[in-house]
Amino acid sequence: QQQVKQSPQSLIVQKGGISIINCAYENTAFDYFPWYQQFPGKGPALLIAIRPDVSEKKEGRFTISFNKSAKQFSLHIMDSQPGDSATYFCAASKTGTASKLTFGTGTRLQVTL
Amino acid sequence: GAGVSQTPSNKVTEKGKYVELRCDPISGHTALYWYRQSLGQGPEFLIYFQGTGAADDSGLPNDRFFAVRPEGSVSTLKIQRTERGDSAVYLCASRLGGTDTQYFGPGTRLTVL
Repeated sequence: QQQVKQSPQSLIVQKGGISIINCAYENTAFDYFPWYQQFPGKGPALLIAIRPDVSEKKEGRFTISFNKSAKQFSLHIMDSQPGDSATYFCAASKTGTASKLTFGTGTRLQVTL
Repeated sequence: GAGVSQTPSNKVTEKGKYVELRCDPISGHTALYWYRQSLGQGPEFLIYFQGTGAADDSGLPNDRFFAVRPEGSVSTLKIQRTERGDSAVYLCASRLGGTDTQYFGPGTRLTVL
């Protein structure tokens, strides 16, 4: 059972454009929602994270929008750059003893010149 | 400071063999996780350590998989009687107690021939 669904699977955006990746979750106990960026041959690195007490969080060019009632959250990358070309994973966890992450299937982003 | 390190970076083995994968977490991080990432997928949780004890091993696929963390720092993931389906990237992550962020290592790519 896939608890976090991510779309699209791949995305091509022109330099300077906005990249948008969406995720939906099923488990209402989840209360921590990070986005990770992964380059080929590297481990995932935290990009930005949000908790459900806020509807939006912005850090530089990266923004998370969160809709608790719809159980959805999205990542917006403003002014996308070729260096942003990577695979992005949304994830979710329930704060507690383990706080283990449940990941989406990933979105491969390509930013073209 | 140093991040999470994993050795070896690549491991090729034959079906039926035993393998050990090592993880050195960030110094002072009491929480340690193992995840498995199959090609084109998001990481999947395997096991979580708090200190020396395995607090949650619900993600281990079967009893061929075992992990230890005897001194609360370095952890070893052990796979007995490897199967071709075990081929994947095995990721380790660590987290400082009381915080949310999991820091991932670069992973060990395991190939079972």
